[in-house]
Amino acid sequence: GNSVTQMEGPVTLSEEAFLTINCTYTATGYPSLFWYVQYPGEGLQLLLKATKADDKGSNKGFEATYRKETTSFHLEKGSVQVSDSAVYFCALTDTGRRALTFGSGTRLQVQP
Amino acid sequence: GAVVSQHPSRVICKSGTSVKIECRSLDFQATTMFWYRQFPKQSLMLMATSNEGSKATYEQGVEKDKFLINHASLTLSTLTVTSAHPEDSSFYICSASDQGQGNYGYTFGSGTRLTVV
Repeated sequence: GNSVTQMEGPVTLSEEAFLTINCTYTATGYPSLFWYVQYPGEGLQLLLKATKADDKGSNKGFEATYRKETTSFHLEKGSVQVSDSAVYFCALTDTGRRALTFGSGTRLQVQP
Repeated sequence: GAVVSQHPSRVICKSGTSVKIECRSLDFQATTMFWYRQFPKQSLMLMATSNEGSKATYEQGVEKDKFLINHASLTLSTLTVTSAHPEDSSFYICSASDQGQGNYGYTFGSGTRLTVV
């Protein structure tokens, strides 16, 4: 079956530091890959997505590249801000299955 | 953009009682809604998928008689936890999909934290 593994948190960084949150996946078909973000007290919001190998999703300074050879979709940001503090979820959908399969989430804490 | 409203955000109930959680799509028609459950420090686990006007499809291991899902309209799905027990305490999140968003448009509610005492 499908699964998503992402690094455990919390990840604590100082403002303007470089961020990487690792995500790897297992899927039986041709998955689409997503990063969702959950700010305190709010629902999950789509941050970025990639639908095929070598695609790069980007939004708000965050990027992730769909790497089929390493089955990875690592999230990166060059300079984090305090406002980026949230929980980040890596997820996938697979051919014929519309529901999302989520990773366990990684809490990011950015200190001023 | 698309908004999904989920209520209540928090509920505390006594063992043996039932709790209803509502999930509404406010500005689009949700042909499909998903219900997830999240345990502390764990993934969101899909419980069931519901399509408007038909019976929900439950994931393996989810008791359909305990977690009743109704998707009676294109804007409303409800999850009722029947005869709740402390082990049902969890964070429940709904998600709605509008096929017009290209099958990748999933909008999430803000979640409901259920505590059964």
